[in-house]
Amino acid sequence: DVKVTQSSRYLVKRTGEKVFLECVQDMDHENMFWYRQDPGLGLRLIYFSYDVKMKEKGDIPEGYSVSREKKERFSLILESASTNQTSMYLCASSWGVGSPLHFGNGTRLTVT
Amino acid sequence: TQLLEQSPQFLSIQEGENLTVYCNSSSVFSSLQWYRQEPGEGPVLLVTVVTGGEVKKLKRLTFQFGDARKDSSLHITAAQPGDTGLYLCAEPNNNAGNMLTFGGGTRLMVKP
Repeated sequence: DVKVTQSSRYLVKRTGEKVFLECVQDMDHENMFWYRQDPGLGLRLIYFSYDVKMKEKGDIPEGYSVSREKKERFSLILESASTNQTSMYLCASSWGVGSPLHFGNGTRLTVT
Repeated sequence: TQLLEQSPQFLSIQEGENLTVYCNSSSVFSSLQWYRQEPGEGPVLLVTVVTGGEVKKLKRLTFQFGDARKDSSLHITAAQPGDTGLYLCAEPNNNAGNMLTFGGGTRLMVKP
């Protein structure tokens, strides 16, 4: 089975801090994704990557950046955390076009 | 912009009841994926439907894809507490098939 591992289940950070969320997948998938999930808003795509060092903006990239230096690892960076970035963050990977996503268990980030 | 609408948003039923949830699009689906997300976990793929009129069964779950491929339904027979979760539909993005657009989900609670 594909395993997508997110480094933290819960994080509490202060406004203005730089925050790193890490994600690792073990199935050599080409594509990796970062979503945030908020009540009433569903899953919204922040960024995705289709290859090492390649990235594309999703629907809500403002305030975020990403890094993919190795195929198995995709990092989400909050340059200066704000309270409106308090959310559940989900990482996912997939094999190719139209193929299903394999999700991690999420990181619940609280920014105070 | 693709829009996926799921209904109902919330559903609370007693164990043993039947239920149907719906997913509708503003455009024709190329294919559609259904996921279930249990509390504290990431979404997990249940099924992918591709052909108009297609019906797929997964134990007590029956998935139907509309003939015109603009709608889909998920029917659960004799619901159990283990079916509790958030049910999400998703379709490949028209412009970038690597990406999925998710509906807002149906949150199901099955009471014993």
